[in-house]
Amino acid sequence: DAGVTQSPTHLIKTRGQQVTLRCSPKSGHDTVSWYQQALGQGPQFIFQYYEEEERQRGNFPDRFSGHQFPNYSSELNVNALLLGDSALYLCASSLAAGAGTYEQYFGPGTRLTVT
Amino acid sequence: GQQVMQIPQYQHVQEGEDFTTYCNSSTTLSNIQWYKQRPGGHPVFLIQLVKSGEVKKQKRLTFQFGEAKKNSSLHITATQTTDVGTYFCAAQGGSEKLVFGKGTKLTVNP
Repeated sequence: DAGVTQSPTHLIKTRGQQVTLRCSPKSGHDTVSWYQQALGQGPQFIFQYYEEEERQRGNFPDRFSGHQFPNYSSELNVNALLLGDSALYLCASSLAAGAGTYEQYFGPGTRLTVT
Repeated sequence: GQQVMQIPQYQHVQEGEDFTTYCNSSTTLSNIQWYKQRPGGHPVFLIQLVKSGEVKKQKRLTFQFGEAKKNSSLHITATQTTDVGTYFCAAQGGSEKLVFGKGTKLTVNP
């Protein structure tokens, strides 16, 4: 049973560029959440996707956008990269509300460095 | 927005000593989850607490949810070097969004 996978593992980009990160949820999960974790901080919620729609969003600018595909995999896109976007980007999958548990399974993350 | 305060930020103990981290919210929570993140790793789910006053145990780990559902604690008895990592509480209010605390980084001296 594959867990949550993310690609790429590491990425180096220049200010102003755009980046796309990818996530495949754990088998059987239909909900994907994205988090940004700066060094020494807790994960910060970016947004959550369910049924190919953004269901909730945290306090992140519109430069951060996402998508969920029919197979439940998801992408996180960040435009006009800033130095402050350097962080570990975590994807977490879970079952939808009403499933009885909100336990989230995290992927290994993508380490993004913006220079 | 909802905020979760977690203390202490750092805790260094000798192997065999106990360890406790606390999590507080200004609002009533629907549930609280605890995660452990090893150095260089990703958060791993430990437990979810839902009921007021709930206490759950996992071997040497004891988790509590306050009566008012605004605070929680994680206590580790007789720490081992394998307990090293950062422990996060993550709270859910009225929505499914998880709000993480800043975590407590535990180091254990063998």
